[in-house]
Formats: sequence, C-alpha cells, structure tokens
Amino acid sequence: SQTIHQWPATLVQPVGSPLSLECTVEGTSNPNLYWYRQAAGRGLQLLFYSVGIGQISSEVPQNLSASRPQDRQFILSSKKLLLSDSGFYLCAWSEVGPLHFGNGTRLTVT
Amino acid sequence: GQNIDQPTEMTATEGAIVQINCTYQTSGFNGLFWYQQHAGEAPTFLSYNVLDGLEEKGRFSSFLSRSKGYSYLLLKELQMKDSASYLCAVREDSNYQLIWGAGTKLIIKP
Repeated sequence: SQTIHQWPATLVQPVGSPLSLECTVEGTSNPNLYWYRQAAGRGLQLLFYSVGIGQISSEVPQNLSASRPQDRQFILSSKKLLLSDSGFYLCAWSEVGPLHFGNGTRLTVT
Repeated sequence: GQNIDQPTEMTATEGAIVQINCTYQTSGFNGLFWYQQHAGEAPTFLSYNVLDGLEEKGRFSSFLSRSKGYSYLLLKELQMKDSASYLCAVREDSNYQLIWGAGTKLIIKP
C-alpha cells in the first residue's frame, strides 16, 4: 500500500531564515505530487504540483519554490521566510483517484 | 469561472443525521471528492462521486447530480468524533488538480 511521509511536523523559524520541507511517497511510481498551504481557519491553497521528475508548476507567485529531485520526493523551499509564510503546509500525492495527504507541517514564522 | 459553495458551519446532535451540501460551477467535471479534516490535522479522503447517484460507505453517504452541479454528504448516527470540517472538491477535465471549497465546520452537540 502507498504511504506518504512529511516532515517535520512543526517548525518555528525567524523571519529571513531559509526553509526546507520534505515529502516522500512509497508504494507507487510516478505519482502526481502537490504542496498546499492552509492558513488558520481558511481553505486549501495549491502552491505547486508536479507530474514528473523535474516538472514543477507554480500556482501562486511568492518567495517559495519546489523541486522534485527524485520520482517520489518533493521538496518545498524558501531562501528567506516572511511572516506571511506561517501556516499549515500539506504534501499530497495522487494517481487517477483522490489526493492523499501527509500529516502536514505547521510552520510559524516569528 | 470556478466556484464551489458549501455552508460555513453546521450544528447537529449526537445520534442524529446531517446533510452537508456542496454546489459547484466549473468549466469541466471529472469527479467530486469529500474530505474530513479534524482541527490541526490533515484532510482524509471520505468519498468520490463521478457518476450521478448515491455512494454509501458505512455511516457516510455521498450524492451527486451533475446536471444540477450539486452534491451532498450525509452522515448518519452522528458521533462526537464526527466534529470536524468537511471539504468538498471538484476535479475538472483538464488536469489532475482539485478545486476546493472552503469547508463546512460541523459541530456535534451531546
């Protein structure tokens, strides 16, 4: 069966510091991969999605970037965090069916 | 344009039945998904409808009418653990991305 791992679970970072969140999927090949952000009490905002290695589509212009160095690895990065980057970050995978989410990373930028 | 509407909040009593509605306007349709999200946790997949009609899974059922752009999630024999947000999402034809509703917060009272 397929599993998705996302870490860390929580993160507190100062403004201006870099960010790296990692997500890996097991039990499937060439999945679609997604990064979402959910602000407190708000809906899901798609940040990036990828249909294959090295293929990244950005949905929202911002100071975040994503990379897919391996088939089942998806990384979300920032060179300099802003206060507005605080939120709940969710990695997800899909094939033809529904999206399946990782446990999420709660990021607080102070 | 793309739009998904669902009530912001609903309250129901333990042991009762509740119906959460979702209406959508999208340029294409390739399936409708319902997710459950407990506070502070990632969304978990509940149901998927691509054809008109009712899909039943234990205490949860989901209905779809494509001609009306309408779906509902029916929860029976409500339990306190059903207190959560319920997210409706639609997949359009053109890609594997989902369009998300803002979610319905369901409060269960004893």
